[in-house]
Amino acid sequence: EDKVVQSPLSLVVHEGDTVTLNCSYEVTNFRSLLWYKQEKKAPTFLFMLTSSGIEKKSGRLSSILDKKELSSILNITATQTGDSAIYLCAVDSNYQLIWGAGTKLIIKP
Amino acid sequence: DSGVTQTPKHLITATGQRVTLRCSPRSGDLSVYWYQQSLDQGLQFLIQYYNGEERAKGNILERFSAQQFPDLHSELNLSSLELGDSALYFCASSARTAPNTGELFFGEGSRLTVL
Repeated sequence: EDKVVQSPLSLVVHEGDTVTLNCSYEVTNFRSLLWYKQEKKAPTFLFMLTSSGIEKKSGRLSSILDKKELSSILNITATQTGDSAIYLCAVDSNYQLIWGAGTKLIIKP
Repeated sequence: DSGVTQTPKHLITATGQRVTLRCSPRSGDLSVYWYQQSLDQGLQFLIQYYNGEERAKGNILERFSAQQFPDLHSELNLSSLELGDSALYFCASSARTAPNTGELFFGEGSRLTVL
């Protein structure tokens, strides 16, 4: 059965800290891995990763895929209170998205 | 604003009742997905439609059904509602014209409360 596991489930850090969120997967036919940020309501797209070892970057956020380890990390540097959210990882397998349970990130001022 | 519109935003109803949630995808998107998110849980995939045809089915209960109309809007029907059906229901659409996934654009969700 396809599955996506995110860790940690929750994380509390102080503003300015750097955080690393993990996503590991076991799927039958990997096509891509996606990261989303969910604040109060709708998840919003962050990154889509298809190739191993190529970092995607957007401001203070970056992500990389390791197909050998079947995992991806999402890094956030110099965290701000506005980064507080649930970060969701999803893997496209056989044209269906398998979602992780998310990591709840809380940034304290 | 993702361009995906869901109505109603909030809905309160009683057990045993039936409700319909509506979704209008982004202009040009042919794929529509329905997800359920209960409190403190991840997204549970319910069903996907592509250009009017059911494409994939997830953990959708038999009491739930959906359809996509010729104008590409979609409706999710929930019947014989139970307390456990209380959740946030998201609709998402895909930018791709082919029936695969990639980036999804989510609506703001419909929050259903069953009393």
